[in-house]
Amino acid sequence: ETGVTQSPTHLIKTRGQQVTLRCSSQSGHNTVSWYQQALGQGPQFIFQYYREEENGRGNFPPRFSGLQFPNYSSELNVNALELDDSALYLCASSLGSGGVNEQFFGPGTRLTVL
Amino acid sequence: AQSVAQPEDQVNVAEGNPLTVKCTYSVSGNPYLFWYVQYPNRGLQFLLKYITGDNLVKGSYGFEAEFNKSQTSFHLKKPSALVSDSALYFCAVRDRGGNTGKLIFGQGTTLQVKP
Repeated sequence: ETGVTQSPTHLIKTRGQQVTLRCSSQSGHNTVSWYQQALGQGPQFIFQYYREEENGRGNFPPRFSGLQFPNYSSELNVNALELDDSALYLCASSLGSGGVNEQFFGPGTRLTVL
Repeated sequence: AQSVAQPEDQVNVAEGNPLTVKCTYSVSGNPYLFWYVQYPNRGLQFLLKYITGDNLVKGSYGFEAEFNKSQTSFHLKKPSALVSDSALYFCAVRDRGGNTGKLIFGQGTTLQVKP
């Protein structure tokens, strides 16, 4: 059984650019959630994908968008990057969209916006 | 608004001593409660969760947590700390009635265990 994987590990972009982050969910999990963790802060919920559809969204602007594929892997896209988007982006997978199931986190992608 | 508070930025304990990392929450209803640990350059690892039942929950690596409904707290504890327990700890809550898995995290508490 493989865990949650994310790519790339690190990424450097400039303001105004666009970025795509990727996540492969743990085997058997059908739900992926994305979080943004700024330096010194707790993770903030961006959105969740369940069976290829967005299933809940946090307080993030529309330039943050995502996809989930039939194999339950997921992408996070951020357009028009801003300096404040610099953060660790965490992907978490789970079996089911809510309830009692814990989320299993990947190692994250460190995004730096210059 | 739903929120989670971890009042201590850092907790320092000596190896072998008991440790407590505090967490209080402000969420309507009876949420599900979680603790996660984050090691440097790693993602979050699940430690334990409270769903219902016994207020004392046992989890991974000898950690346990005590749920106190009247104080809306969910403090993480361990009877005897190890140097390897040094890490960043996050408390999180999930709305029991929600249909998403949205977790609301606290700011995190750095645990430093000294030999």
